[in-house]
Amino acid sequence: EVQLVESGGGLVQPGGSLRLSCAASGFTFSSYEMNWVRQAPGKGLEWVSYISSSGSTIYYADSVKGRFTISRDNAKNSLYLQMNSLRAEDTAVYYCARGPIDSSESYFQHWGQGTLVTVSS
Amino acid sequence: DIQMTQSPSTLSASVGDRVTITCRASQSISSWLAWYQQKPGKAPKLLIYKASSLESGVPSRFSGSGSGTEFTLTISSLQPDDFATYYCQQYNSFWTFGQGTKVEIK
Repeated sequence: EVQLVESGGGLVQPGGSLRLSCAASGFTFSSYEMNWVRQAPGKGLEWVSYISSSGSTIYYADSVKGRFTISRDNAKNSLYLQMNSLRAEDTAVYYCARGPIDSSESYFQHWGQGTLVTVSS
Repeated sequence: DIQMTQSPSTLSASVGDRVTITCRASQSISSWLAWYQQKPGKAPKLLIYKASSLESGVPSRFSGSGSGTEFTLTISSLQPDDFATYYCQQYNSFWTFGQGTKVEIK
């Protein structure tokens, strides 16, 4: 069974940093593209960042470019999101999401349960 | 950037109703469109990919259609478990979600 478990969320002050993790199991992690998606309280879904299966290709939404860094450790079956210079508008539930095995497609087939990040003084 | 616009934002319906949600893209995305269902406090769940392909395990009352810039998600006979918020997502150029359609009990 595919499992994605996020951790690392919490309360942080504006300008602070936080590192999110996503532990993957039930599939060959190194074969799949991964993403971070966030959802502000009461709002819709917003794609945040993408990383290819090898880690060689990375994309960011304009809203986080230069502040967030996505990475992965295929040996540890883990995905990460380093978030720096956090702002109030970064407050959201952050989900990790896995793509399908067919890399010609890039929808989000499986999602974790999410971790809440609150940016407030 | 490709913008996705869903309509309606809220839909009131009864069990057994046929429900249709529309999603429009600001430019052609071919068939690179997915639909997700989200219930309160839960992660989104994939329903449809490539505009009309049903994800494994999703009930056949869900169907998707369209290509280019206009797409629809149809629930043929609404069930109690289907009251939720639905999002479309384009994946032709990066990833963009629609604003969501909440299906509520009439």
